[in-house]
This record gives sequence, structure tokens and C-alpha cells, in this order.
Amino acid sequence: DTAVSQTPKYLVTQMGNDKSIKCEQNLGHDTMYWYKQDSKKFLKIMFSYNNKELIINETVPNRFSPKSPDKAHLNLHINSLELGDSAVYFCASSQGTSGVYTQYFGPGTRLTVL
Amino acid sequence: DAKTTQPPSMDCAEGRAANLPCNHSTISGNEYVYWYRQIHSQGPQYIIHGLKNNETNEMASLIITEDRKSSTLILPHATLRDTAVYYCIVTGYGGATNKLIFGTGTLLAVQP
Repeated sequence: DTAVSQTPKYLVTQMGNDKSIKCEQNLGHDTMYWYKQDSKKFLKIMFSYNNKELIINETVPNRFSPKSPDKAHLNLHINSLELGDSAVYFCASSQGTSGVYTQYFGPGTRLTVL
Repeated sequence: DAKTTQPPSMDCAEGRAANLPCNHSTISGNEYVYWYRQIHSQGPQYIIHGLKNNETNEMASLIITEDRKSSTLILPHATLRDTAVYYCIVTGYGGATNKLIFGTGTLLAVQP
């Protein structure tokens, strides 16, 4: 069974469009994250939600809006896509946040903005 | 910025032990050492973590020096499937957040 899943796996779109990436975890975790890995392979956290509440926002442009309908899902909506948004986006989850908990990552969504 | 320093790349012969070093000289008393790896085009995969004692699981062993300023991840019998970028991460305990700060990692190439 897939622990952390993301859809779609690949996303190709034009500049200026709006797109969403979905993430689901079946681990029963309370906390979910979005990370971005750019073309130079640097992996950096963007957001974190704990029980549907935003707890980390790493100065990401407000064109990026995470939404957590329940604690098993964390979606990422991106408005007015730019060339620099092209990257691989990884979702992750962990049991909690006020401590040290192992994070489990999804397979990634490769976003290409043309 | 990442709190760790790792060599950019290492080679290892298949079947031999791979020893990946990590320097974390500014680690504080309540911070853990975590190891993840990323096989090409896949999501990062948790390997092992520790505070001050050496740790072993089915994937690897983690050796932390007594002063906790460095550690070594040991893959006892490397296989071609272990070729990946290995990240050593120091992360705190007790804070309100639990974010992983990835550095550039070590690209381990296992040779046949």
C-alpha cells in the first residue's frame, strides 16, 4: 500500500495558468509538508500543516496556497504559474510536529512550466 | 542553511561496506542526526536517526562520535540499488516545528 501518494506525477502547463497538486497519506499522521526540489537538486521546505492548521510557511510567494481539507490530505494550488516554478514538488507526512518525528515522502510531482 | 557538511561524492564497490561521513560540529544537545537518501527521481527515503548512541536497523548503522560533532552512516553490504544521494540532517527536538533542512548530500556511486 502506498503510504504517501501524489497526483499527478507529471504536470506540464503554460505560464500564467493555475494548477493544483494533490497529496494523500494513509499513515494516520497528523502533520503534512510540501517540499520543492529545484533544477539544482536543492530540496527545501515550503509549508507544513498540523491537523489542518498551517504551522510552517517558508516565505513562499502567495501564489502558492496549500489547503488541507482533512489531516490525511494536503493539496498545493499554484496561481499564475511562472517559469521559475518548474521543479519537483514532494509531499511528506509525520506523526507529529512538537518533537522529532520521521518524515515519509511521496514520489514527487514534476511540474514543468513552458 | 544546513548544519552539516558531507563530501560531495563517494564510490564503493558492490558487496563492500559504504561508510558515509558527516560533520555536524555545531550540533546542540537536543538535536538528532537523521539520514535520508534520494534515489534518482524518487522521494527522499528515511534511513536511520540517532541522538548520541550508535543505532542499527535493517538498512544501516549509525555511528555518532562521543562529542557528537560527527557521525558515519554505514551500509554494510552495498548493492547497486544503494546508489543515491545521502543526506545527513540535524534537526531539533521540542520545538513547534519539525522541518528538515537538506544540504547538498553525498552522491554514493556503487560500482559493480
